[in-house]
Amino acid sequence: GIQVEQSPPDLILQEGANSTLRCNFSDSVNNLQWFHQNPWGQLINLFYIPSGTKQNGRLSATTVATERYSLLYISSSQTTDSGVYFCAANFGNEKLTFGTGTRLTIIP
Amino acid sequence: DTGVSQDPRHKITKRGQNVTFRCDPISEHNRLYWYRQTLGQGPEFLTYFQNEAQLEKSRLLSDRFSAERPKGSFSTLEIQRTEQGDSAMYLCASSVVEYNGYTFGSGTRLTVV
Repeated sequence: GIQVEQSPPDLILQEGANSTLRCNFSDSVNNLQWFHQNPWGQLINLFYIPSGTKQNGRLSATTVATERYSLLYISSSQTTDSGVYFCAANFGNEKLTFGTGTRLTIIP
Repeated sequence: DTGVSQDPRHKITKRGQNVTFRCDPISEHNRLYWYRQTLGQGPEFLTYFQNEAQLEKSRLLSDRFSAERPKGSFSTLEIQRTEQGDSAMYLCASSVVEYNGYTFGSGTRLTVV
C-alpha cells in the first residue's frame, strides 16, 4: 500500500546545530507538505513542496519527486524548533497520508 | 483571518455518551478536512468536504461517526455511543481547491472514560 516513511524517528541536538530530516514516499505524489507539531499539538504548515526547493528563514526543503523523497533542513537550531516534524503527501486524491514523524529535541 | 478554529479544545465524556465537535475554517477556504491523531502517531484522514458536499469518507469513519457542513461554512463531527478507542485528538483543516496547502486547527482532544 501507499506509504510515507520518515527518518530518523528521534533526533536530539544541541542548540545551534544543523539537521536534516528525510521523507520517503512509495508512489508518485501530486502534493507534499512538511508540518511542525508543537508540544501543544498545533500542526503548523512549513512547506507545500511537491517538487523543487524552497527556503523560509532557517528552514529549507527539497523534494525530488522522480526519486520519491523529500528533505527538510533546519539550520542553527533553536529550542523553539523542538517538536514533531511530519511530512504528508497526496497520492492522486484529497487524502493526506502522513508519515511516522521525526521527534526533534533541541537542548539549550 | 483568525485561522481554523475548533471547539471545544478538550472534552471528557463517559463511555456511551454522544459528543459533537465544531470546526470553523478560514472563510475563503472551500475545502474542509477532519483527521484523527492518536498518541505517537501521525494524523489519519477521516473525511473531507468541498463546500457543503462530503466527497470522501475513510473506513475509519464507522456508523457511529457523522460529519456535516451545512451551507459550506462551519462543520460538525458527531460521535455517537462513544467508546474508549475513540479517545484521540480530532483535527480539522481547510484549504482552497487551487492550492493544496492545509491549515490545521488546534484540535479537540477527546478522552472517553
